[in-house]
Amino acid sequence: EDQVTQSPEALRLQEGESSSLNCSYTVSGLRGLFWYRQDPGKGPEFLFTLYSAGEEKEKERLKATLTKKESFLHITAPKPEDSATYLCAVQSYNNAGNMLTFGGGTRLMVKP
Amino acid sequence: DTGVSQDPRHKITKRGQNVTFRCDPISEHNRLYWYRQTLGQGPEFLTYFQNEAQLEKSRLLSDRFSAERPKGSFSTLEIQRTEQGDSAMYLCASSLGTGWNEQFFGPGTRLTVL
Repeated sequence: EDQVTQSPEALRLQEGESSSLNCSYTVSGLRGLFWYRQDPGKGPEFLFTLYSAGEEKEKERLKATLTKKESFLHITAPKPEDSATYLCAVQSYNNAGNMLTFGGGTRLMVKP
Repeated sequence: DTGVSQDPRHKITKRGQNVTFRCDPISEHNRLYWYRQTLGQGPEFLTYFQNEAQLEKSRLLSDRFSAERPKGSFSTLEIQRTEQGDSAMYLCASSLGTGWNEQFFGPGTRLTVL
């Protein structure tokens, strides 16, 4: 069974204070690892897809990286508008329907 | 707006009542998914359609739950004889079925069972 664990559960940063969010996964054959952002009361918003170890993707202040066991979401010089829950999810070759298995998320709060 | 839409956005019902939610996917997407999310948790997979065919169901989807996607367009999720444990956010997502593509989510329907 695919498993995804995210840490920390919650993170408070000062504006401009860079940090990283961790996503550890156990999967039998990774098809893809996905990062989403979710604001309170809204659906998840797609950020990145990573397919193979060593791959990196960037978007504004966010950079996602992937190894064979975990992924990191690096946030550089965050702003208050980056406050949200960040979700990590995996797709595996075991699931014909390409369902996503999500972690519990990291709730990020950036204070001005 | 060409994103995934869901209706209603909020639903309050009494225990034992039936409820139905609707999802309209992105127009060219032939894959449609339903997930359930409880407070403080990540979404959990419920079921998946490719066009009009329901191809996969989670064991979370008890016999009180049924989903349809007539003609491969919009989808409905019905919960019969609701229980307080059904209170959650019900999320719909769609993807383009030409590979293992990212899923785009709708705003969700928040269900509260009293």
